[in-house]
Amino acid sequence: DIVMTQTPLSSPATLGQPASISCRSSQSVVHSDGNTYLSWLHQRPGQPPRLLIYKTSNRFSGVPDRFSGSGARTDFTLNISRVEAEDVGVYYCMQATHFPWTFGQGTKVEI
Amino acid sequence: QVQLQESGPGLIKPSETLSLTCIVSGDSITSRGHYWGWIRQPPGKGLEWIANIFSTGTTYYNPSLAGRITIFQDTSKNQFSLKMRSVTAADTAIYFCARAPEFCGSSTCLAFDSWGQGALVTVSS
Repeated sequence: DIVMTQTPLSSPATLGQPASISCRSSQSVVHSDGNTYLSWLHQRPGQPPRLLIYKTSNRFSGVPDRFSGSGARTDFTLNISRVEAEDVGVYYCMQATHFPWTFGQGTKVEI
Repeated sequence: QVQLQESGPGLIKPSETLSLTCIVSGDSITSRGHYWGWIRQPPGKGLEWIANIFSTGTTYYNPSLAGRITIFQDTSKNQFSLKMRSVTAADTAIYFCARAPEFCGSSTCLAFDSWGQGALVTVSS
């Protein structure tokens, strides 16, 4: 199984300031079709996760442009350009390149 | 707008079989190129992928659970289900069903873009 390791596990954030979360996979998550199926999800307390970024850097419909994703092969980053109060919660990376699909442990963002 | 709704027993005894169903509206579970999956989250912990069923009926299982689980679909009711045998307290979790399309718009996707609200399942005698 591919292990997804996120850092940090907890991130105190400041309103209006940038924040960054790292996700590293134990092996390359480049698919044989050439795509990298690495996504980022955000979960608020008591809510299901919500998709933010798919295929490393594509913002999902309705996601604010302060969220961006980058990376390649085994190293990926989610950036928030200016943290807003609604961004609190836990962020997960997930790889869907290889079965079993696997998630990172989650990074808790608090203001 | 696709909607997913989990239904389950709430409380189940150890060693019993857990049955969960995901009712899908706003999309067909046989829509070309969709994965329909189950993910669980123990209280206060992270997410674990359990299984997927593709729109063609092909199934994929997490090897850590593969001996105990079955995912299947009922196309007449537009729903898919999960059975988990011989449950223990370690299976206590919120169980989510979700959709992972092959395409988001015109781009390949393979990410869970729509989720149900989740069903809490507690395993206790």
